[in-house]
Amino acid sequence: GAVVSQHPSWVICKSGTSVKIECRSLDFQATTMFWYRQFPKQSLMLMATSNEGSKATYEQGVEKDKFLINHASLTLSTLTVTSAHPEDSSFYICSARGYGVRGSYNEQFFGPGTRLTVL
Amino acid sequence: DQQVKQNSPSLSVQEGRISILNCDYTNSMFDYFLWYKKYPAEGPTFLISISSIKDKNEDGRFTVFLNKSAKHLSLHIVPSQPGDSAVYFCAASANGNEKLTFGTGTRLTIIP
Repeated sequence: GAVVSQHPSWVICKSGTSVKIECRSLDFQATTMFWYRQFPKQSLMLMATSNEGSKATYEQGVEKDKFLINHASLTLSTLTVTSAHPEDSSFYICSARGYGVRGSYNEQFFGPGTRLTVL
Repeated sequence: DQQVKQNSPSLSVQEGRISILNCDYTNSMFDYFLWYKKYPAEGPTFLISISSIKDKNEDGRFTVFLNKSAKHLSLHIVPSQPGDSAVYFCAASANGNEKLTFGTGTRLTIIP
C-alpha cells in the first residue's frame, strides 16, 4: 500500500510552453500533497503544500503564478509549469499523506518524480 | 540557510561492514527526524524515523541515533549490503508540522 505515481516520468518541452505534471495516490486518500524540486546534487526543496479542495500554500520564493497547483480530489494533484524556461529544468517530485495507510498520519509517501527539460 | 546538513556527500563501505551516515541540524524546534533512501530517477522511500523524545530507534539492519544536545543524528546500517547503495537523505520537521526540511544527501556505495 501507500503508492504514489507521477505522470509523465520525463518531459522535454520548448521554452515558453506549459507543462502539466500529475501526482496520484493509488491506494489511499491523500488529504495533503506536497511538491518538491530537486536540482542536481542538491536537496529536495519544498515548493508548495496543497490540501484537497483548497488553495495551495507556496514556500517563500516560489512563484504561484508560474507553478500552478490544483488538488481537485483526494487522489490527484497537478502541477503546471507555465511559460517554462530552461532554468525551470529540474526533477519534480510529489509526495502525499493521508488516511488509510500504514505508519503514522504524518508520513509522506513520494512519487517517482518527473524529469523536466526545457529547451 | 541550510537547516539540515549532511556534510559527507559520499561514503564507500565494504559489504558486511557498518555504514554510518551523519546529519546535523541547526533549528532547535525540530522534533521529528526521518531518513529516506533514494535511487536515481526515483522518489525517496522512507526508511526509519525518530522522535525527539527518544535517542535511538531500531528497525532490522537500520538504527537511527539522536543526540539532541549536539543537534546530530546518525543512521547505522549493519551489515551493509550491495542493495543499500543509494543516496540517503535526512529530513526534519517541527511541532507536528507537515513540512519536511531535507538535507543535501549522502551517496552511499557498498563495495562487494
